[in-house]
Amino acid sequence: QQQVKQSPQSLIVQKGGISIINCAYENTAFDYFPWYQQFPGKGPALLIAIRPDVSEKKEGRFTISFNKSAKQFSLHIMDSQPGDSATYFCAASRRSGGSNYKLTFGKGTLLTVNP
Amino acid sequence: DTEVTQTPKHLVMGMTNKKSLKCEQHMGHRAMYWYKQKAKKPPELMFVYSYEKLSINESVPSRFSPECPNSSLLNLHLHALQPEDSALYLCASSQEVRGPYNEQFFGPGTRLTVL
Repeated sequence: QQQVKQSPQSLIVQKGGISIINCAYENTAFDYFPWYQQFPGKGPALLIAIRPDVSEKKEGRFTISFNKSAKQFSLHIMDSQPGDSATYFCAASRRSGGSNYKLTFGKGTLLTVNP
Repeated sequence: DTEVTQTPKHLVMGMTNKKSLKCEQHMGHRAMYWYKQKAKKPPELMFVYSYEKLSINESVPSRFSPECPNSSLLNLHLHALQPEDSALYLCASSQEVRGPYNEQFFGPGTRLTVL
């Protein structure tokens, strides 16, 4: 059972364009939504994260939009650059057993930004 | 220092070998994680240590044996692995595991090949 659905699977954008990746979840117990960026041969790195009491968060060229009622959140990359070419994972955190929390990842989006 | 280090970077082992993966962090984090990542897939949680005690085991086969000697170190002992265990093994750490806003910092991973 896939708890966090991510789309599209792959995305090709021209340099300077806007990249948009979408995620949806069903479990309302999720209460923290980070996005990770992963380059080939590297571990994932936290890009930006949002809590459900906020509808939008912006850090530089990266913006998360969060729609609690629709249970959807998305990553927007403005002025996309070839260096942004990577795999992006959305994730959601929820309590799992006692007081422990763990992340559930989406399947990932391979972003290619053409020069 | 906001880095999680992992050794070795690459490991090739036979199905009868015993080997260990090592992870180290010096951020004062009290939660450490092992993930397994297959090609073009998201990370899958294997184990979580909180305050040097195993708090989550995601029903991982016993041929994988985690160990947390102290708050900075995490090991994964491997024995009698199968070729399907070949993957990128990622270590991560966070300040706490008790709380949703636990930003996880990932290491670069160990690329494991089982022959």
